[in-house]
Amino acid sequence: AQTVTQSQPEMSVQEAETVTLSCTYDTSESDYYLFWYKQPPSRQMILVIRQEAYKQQNATENRFSVNFQKAAKSFSLKISDSQLGDAAMYFCAYKGYNDMRFGAGTRLTVKP
Amino acid sequence: KAGVTQTPRYLIKTRGQQVTLSCSPISGHRSVSWYQQTPGQGLQFLFEYFSETQRNKGNFPGRFSGRQFSNSRSEMNVSTLELGDSALYLCASSWGQGAMDTEAFFGQGTRLTVV
Repeated sequence: AQTVTQSQPEMSVQEAETVTLSCTYDTSESDYYLFWYKQPPSRQMILVIRQEAYKQQNATENRFSVNFQKAAKSFSLKISDSQLGDAAMYFCAYKGYNDMRFGAGTRLTVKP
Repeated sequence: KAGVTQTPRYLIKTRGQQVTLSCSPISGHRSVSWYQQTPGQGLQFLFEYFSETQRNKGNFPGRFSGRQFSNSRSEMNVSTLELGDSALYLCASSWGQGAMDTEAFFGQGTRLTVV
């Protein structure tokens, strides 16, 4: 079964600085997608960024970028120029042929 | 276009009762997945429905069931409620198949409290 591991329960970053959230996964599938979702206090899960496993190029969305290492099964999220509105729970997710699996989440605090 | 709609937003039930939660997916989406989110267990997959058929099922007891209608709307039912069923229940919709099925869109969830 596919598993997703986020080893950092909590992270903190100073406003305008950069922070990296870690995620590793385990799978035997060759074709899959990886996601980072953000869950603010409102509880609405919001897609931050998506990576197709067959693409070698790392995905970027404005201040958000990933470091996808397929051989190492690693998928980290880098947030540049952190803003107060980035404070939230961040979930790494894996979707292969079956259901989407989530990591335990990392709570990100942004200090002004 | 409208997002994923879950009703009700909040619910308080007594142990032993049953509850039905509803999820209306984004128009055109045929897959609906349900997740239970608790502080201790995180996000756990309950089941997925696609074209009125259960396609995947998580590791939950038979008290948890669901169904999907021809318009892709889905309901989730929990019978004989236990205190441990208190959680945020999230619904996610997606195309369900093909090259466009690359992400899930979530509703705002139903907060269930069992007393």
